[in-house]
Amino acid sequence: GENVEQHPSTLSVQEGDSAVIKCTYSDSASNYFPWYKQELGKRPQLIIDIRSNVGEKKDQRIAVTLNKTAKHFSLHITETQPEDSAVYFCAASFNAGNMLTFGGGTRLMVKP
Amino acid sequence: NAGVTQTPKFQVLKTGQSMTLQCAQDMNHEYMSWYRQDPGMGLRLIHYSVGAGITDQGEVPNGYNVSRSTTEDFPLRLLSAAPSQTSVYFCASSLYSTGSSYEQYFGPGTRLTVT
Repeated sequence: GENVEQHPSTLSVQEGDSAVIKCTYSDSASNYFPWYKQELGKRPQLIIDIRSNVGEKKDQRIAVTLNKTAKHFSLHITETQPEDSAVYFCAASFNAGNMLTFGGGTRLMVKP
Repeated sequence: NAGVTQTPKFQVLKTGQSMTLQCAQDMNHEYMSWYRQDPGMGLRLIHYSVGAGITDQGEVPNGYNVSRSTTEDFPLRLLSAAPSQTSVYFCASSLYSTGSSYEQYFGPGTRLTVT
């Protein structure tokens, strides 16, 4: 089955700096890569996703890049704000459907 | 729309007890799934369903049963609770079609402790 690894496990940045979280996946058949944000005690919420036919996607301060050859994808957050502090999870769908395999998560702390 | 709802929010069980975690959605989603989240780990898929009457196993199905008699409801049953099942359980739902992937909407979670 699919295996997704996520790095780093914790990330601390100053407000206004950029943050980058990286994930690698094992199954070359994976074709859907969402990113979820989870605040303490809350449910995961989708912040951005990318499909395998696209190399990059951007939504305001958030962007995701995908390298299918290397089987890795990354989340980029620019101009970080304290409210960006949360745990971020990457995931991959290893079949043409909705079964997601999640990475282990990254705790992002944005210091004011 | 209430979205995805889960009950209860918290539950404490003794080893060997059984219980059912409830999940319901009002978005007419075909796909529903259950994940567990352990401290410091990502979510792991327990069971999923692509429509009423159809269920299948995910990554960590042992100790859990599911059924899908209606589009709206997808209960998760713990047959004989074990301390290893202490976790936060999330239900999720989404649209479904072969060959496509869709955003999954998560419920608020059920925090289960087995003593």
